[in-house]
Amino acid sequence: EDQVTQSPEALRLQEGESSSLNCSYTVSGLRGLFWYRQDPGKGPEFLFTLYSAGEEKEKERLKATLTKKESFLHITAPKPEDSATYLCAVDNYGQNFVFGPGTRLSVLP
Amino acid sequence: GAVVSQHPSRVICKSGTSVKIECRSLDFQATTMFWYRQFPKKSLMLMATSNEGSKATYEQGVEKDKFLINHASLTLSTLTVTSAHPEDSSFYICSARPGKELETQYFGPGTRLLVL
Repeated sequence: EDQVTQSPEALRLQEGESSSLNCSYTVSGLRGLFWYRQDPGKGPEFLFTLYSAGEEKEKERLKATLTKKESFLHITAPKPEDSATYLCAVDNYGQNFVFGPGTRLSVLP
Repeated sequence: GAVVSQHPSRVICKSGTSVKIECRSLDFQATTMFWYRQFPKKSLMLMATSNEGSKATYEQGVEKDKFLINHASLTLSTLTVTSAHPEDSSFYICSARPGKELETQYFGPGTRLLVL
């Protein structure tokens, strides 16, 4: 069965303390991997799409990378406004995506 | 671009009544729309997948007679919670996917349902 896991479940950082979130996947096929940000009480907001191993995407303080088995979301010098739940999802050529459980990030001032 | 709206954003209803939630893709045509349910501090739980003009495909354990989904056009899907009960209280989120295979899903802002 295709599966996506994320670690850690929760992460607390001090403002400016860089770190990485992990998304590991075991799928029969990978058409694309997606990262989303979700704020409490809101729908997920699309961040990145990665299609092949070695690919990298950047947006402000966020950088997503992809290998054959996992993806990392690197957060450089985070700010309190980066606090959110970060979800990854895999398109395994099915009609829907396989979602990970998310990582809850808290950035303290 | 790629904006998905949901209406209403929150609704309170009495037990036994029905509630309709609308999901619209505002600036693109959505071949496929998805309905999710989310419990506090939990990830998204897919309820059903709908394709325009055809019957929705429901996930195991989701009652199709209770959660009626209609995908009437390429920009509109509706979820009707029939005879709602307090256990149906939740956060419901829709998403829409353009026809292109490599496109992501774009999510609506969600609807908070409280059944008294």
